[in-house]
Amino acid sequence: DAGVTQSPTHLIKTRGQQVTLRCSPKSGHDTVSWYQQALGQGPQFIFQYYEEEERQRGNFPDRFSGHQFPNYSSELNVNALLLGDSALYLCASSADRVSTYNEQFFGPGTRLTVL
Amino acid sequence: AQKVTQAQTEISVVEKEDVTLDCVYETRDTTYYLFWYKQPPSGELVFLIRRNSFDEQNEISGRYSWNFQKSTSSFNFTITASQVVDSAVYFCALRPNTGNQFYFGTGTSLTVIP
Repeated sequence: DAGVTQSPTHLIKTRGQQVTLRCSPKSGHDTVSWYQQALGQGPQFIFQYYEEEERQRGNFPDRFSGHQFPNYSSELNVNALLLGDSALYLCASSADRVSTYNEQFFGPGTRLTVL
Repeated sequence: AQKVTQAQTEISVVEKEDVTLDCVYETRDTTYYLFWYKQPPSGELVFLIRRNSFDEQNEISGRYSWNFQKSTSSFNFTITASQVVDSAVYFCALRPNTGNQFYFGTGTSLTVIP
């Protein structure tokens, strides 16, 4: 049973560029959440996708956008990259359709460095 | 407001010592869920436990135990007879019943010295 997978593992971009990160949820999960974890900090919620719609959004600018596909996989897009966007981006999945507890299982993350 | 506070930034213990990681939370929701996650150097957050606000029973799982006290809004985590493999950053998280967002603390970095 594959867990949450993310790609790529590492990414280096320059300021102003755009980036797309990908996530495949754990088998049987239908909900994907994205988090940004700056060095030495806890994960900060970016947004959550359920049934291909953005269900909830944290305090992040519109430069951060996402998408969920019919197979429940998801993408996180960040436009006009800033140095401050350098962080570990974590994807988490849960089975919200069948569980009220919304236990989230995390992927290994994508380390984004903006130069 | 929803908030999780982990006041201990870093803790070092010698192997086989017991260690308690503190977590204090704030929420106006009467129903909520609390979690602990472990983050080893590899970066992946590993789920340890979930506790519902209406269940104040403490829980023990092997060397791990959790003490949930609603009266003090605390959900502390104790590792008994610590091992080097326990070295990691530990996060406490809150999910209120309203909304789907997880709120994480800033984490406690635990180093177990052999």
